[in-house]
Amino acid sequence: AQSVAQPEDQVNVAEGNPLTVKCTYSVSGNPYLFWYVQYPNRGLQFLLKYITGDNLVKGSYGFEAEFNKSQTSFHLKKPSALVSDSALYFCAVRDLYNAGNMLTFGGGTRLMVKP
Amino acid sequence: GAVVSQHPSWVICKSGTSVKIECRSLDFQATTMFWYRQFPKQSLMLMATSNEGSKATYEQGVEKDKFLINHASLTLSTLTVTSAHPEDSSFYICSARVPGLAGLNTGELFFGEGSRLTVL
Repeated sequence: AQSVAQPEDQVNVAEGNPLTVKCTYSVSGNPYLFWYVQYPNRGLQFLLKYITGDNLVKGSYGFEAEFNKSQTSFHLKKPSALVSDSALYFCAVRDLYNAGNMLTFGGGTRLMVKP
Repeated sequence: GAVVSQHPSWVICKSGTSVKIECRSLDFQATTMFWYRQFPKQSLMLMATSNEGSKATYEQGVEKDKFLINHASLTLSTLTVTSAHPEDSSFYICSARVPGLAGLNTGELFFGEGSRLTVL
């Protein structure tokens, strides 16, 4: 079975400071990893994904994530947080080669960026 | 990226009535769509996988007769909450998978904006 853990329910950051939202995963095959962002009463917006290749993935709105195979982690990062980044962030994983495999979401981390 | 449209965004209904939510892939064909339910301050819970031209696959614990799913075309899936009750009030989100590379599960998921159902 595959799973995703987001250990922090909430992350508080001051505007302009770097932010990190943590994610660890477990999957039997090759991981296909995602980050999504959700604003209040809205659907999920795709931020970035990792399939293969460079471990550092750059995505939308200045976000990036680093894939670490040995630590089975895929932490989301941004060098300088904006108040508008405040939202709910979900990490998700799927087995790359298992066509029937569903996307599994973490529990979500609420990011609060204060002015 | 691909666009998934969900309608209605908000719906309020009386207990005992049925409500239909539509999910459309606007610029691609989706043989598979997914329906999720999200409770306040919680993650998404997969309810069912909607397959074009065949019956939906429901997750354990999801009532098939309560949540009717129809995927009649490659761009439209509908979720009907039958005989809705207040406990069915929730945020329902659909997603559709863009076809991926052959042999790889690389098709990305794109999500609708969600539909908030309130049953009085």
